[in-house]
Amino acid sequence: EPEVTQTPSHQVTQMGQEVILRCVPISNHLYFYWYRQILGQKVEFLVSFYNNEISEKSEIFDDQFSVERPDGSNFTLKIRSTKLEDSAMYFCASSVTGTAGLRTGELFFGEGSRLTVL
Amino acid sequence: TQLLEQSPQFLSIQEGENLTVYCNSSSVFSSLQWYRQEPGEGPVLLVTVVTGGEVKKLKRLTFQFGDARKDSSLHITAAQTGDTGLYLCAGALDSNYQLIWGAGTKLIIKP
Repeated sequence: EPEVTQTPSHQVTQMGQEVILRCVPISNHLYFYWYRQILGQKVEFLVSFYNNEISEKSEIFDDQFSVERPDGSNFTLKIRSTKLEDSAMYFCASSVTGTAGLRTGELFFGEGSRLTVL
Repeated sequence: TQLLEQSPQFLSIQEGENLTVYCNSSSVFSSLQWYRQEPGEGPVLLVTVVTGGEVKKLKRLTFQFGDARKDSSLHITAAQTGDTGLYLCAGALDSNYQLIWGAGTKLIIKP
């Protein structure tokens, strides 16, 4: 069964360092997302990506964050200068039809990358 | 501000009991999804409801979408230990690409 894969599963970094989290979405999916979940808290939307550009982003997704789809298969989230409050589980997700209105389809999530900022 | 409020936040019951969790909002959603998340994993979709008043059944789980499409409930009959997890509802609006997520109900089923 196709699945979303994420690497690394856990990364520990020093505050101020750059981090890149990688995702391989399901191959025939067109919409890609990053979410984060601070331990014990709600799932928070970061960004959605379609047709090689950001389609929507949240207030959390500030200038420290960027996304790329460098080679047609990988989808990366970069945090330029990590802060303590960036410590969280970061989930990548993909879908066939997006999440707006009646077209909302299933989001397939990866297992997450746990980021710990010291 | 579009919010989805889930209740209860936490529920711990014995195996075999029935339970209902709720998802409420003042916003009208085009569709609403329920996901289940187990520790260390990403959420997995259980169901999508799109029509006001719609009821969907998935074995012992019954999902209902409110008539006004502002709320939803998940009822589990004869809960089993395998039902333990975090249950999340997420609503889709016409105007946004992002889903609006509830904070989740953490469910523990004790043997």
